[in-house]
Amino acid sequence: GAVVSQHPSRVICKSGTSVKIECRSLDFQATTMFWYRQFPKKSLMLMATSNEGSKATYEQGVEKDKFLINHASLTLSTLTVTSAHPEDSSFYICSARRGSSGNTIYFGEGSWLTVV
Amino acid sequence: SQQGEEDPQALSIQEGENATMNCSYKTSINNLQWYRQNSGRGLVHLILIRSNEREKHSGRLRVTLDTSKKSSSLLITASRAADTASYFCATDERDDKIIFGKGTRLHILP
Repeated sequence: GAVVSQHPSRVICKSGTSVKIECRSLDFQATTMFWYRQFPKKSLMLMATSNEGSKATYEQGVEKDKFLINHASLTLSTLTVTSAHPEDSSFYICSARRGSSGNTIYFGEGSWLTVV
Repeated sequence: SQQGEEDPQALSIQEGENATMNCSYKTSINNLQWYRQNSGRGLVHLILIRSNEREKHSGRLRVTLDTSKKSSSLLITASRAADTASYFCATDERDDKIIFGKGTRLHILP
């Protein structure tokens, strides 16, 4: 069964609103979680690395104020897309690392965001 | 950032043939993983190969890793229609990032 749960799997929101996507590790503590974005027929682009109890590390070109990441506990990281625009429509996937660097990572099932 | 380069970007083969996909990367890694993704779906983990390993098998899958050339290959033997999907390599980097390659779209022809 899934060890990383992502919710919601699909969400439609209106332009200008904010939407939150949750990523939970179900049976392990995840010090580090990763958020990716994927456009149709493209690969996964790393947006940010989320570390429990500290600020997320964003990749170059990713707007911190646009994509708010909170990793408040060892089992939950959230991605909030603020003031969403149609160009934010995409597939967002999270992953969680079990333990320290080099250990196994697990991916959520992804969340389809459509901004209308 | 995107560092992996898959080769080829797209591959069409007849059912029953073998499919080979290659991946190159740029930095030092802890391990390299291969994933499959069906259209519009999440990722399916296929195999992980550690930086001190050279070859690994899992069913019809064979993965090689050459750290001196910073490259890996995924071989799927006796392909089936259900193997039609996109395949990605992902490098687990020393700075704790997981970076994906651009992927290969594999299409198995009946």
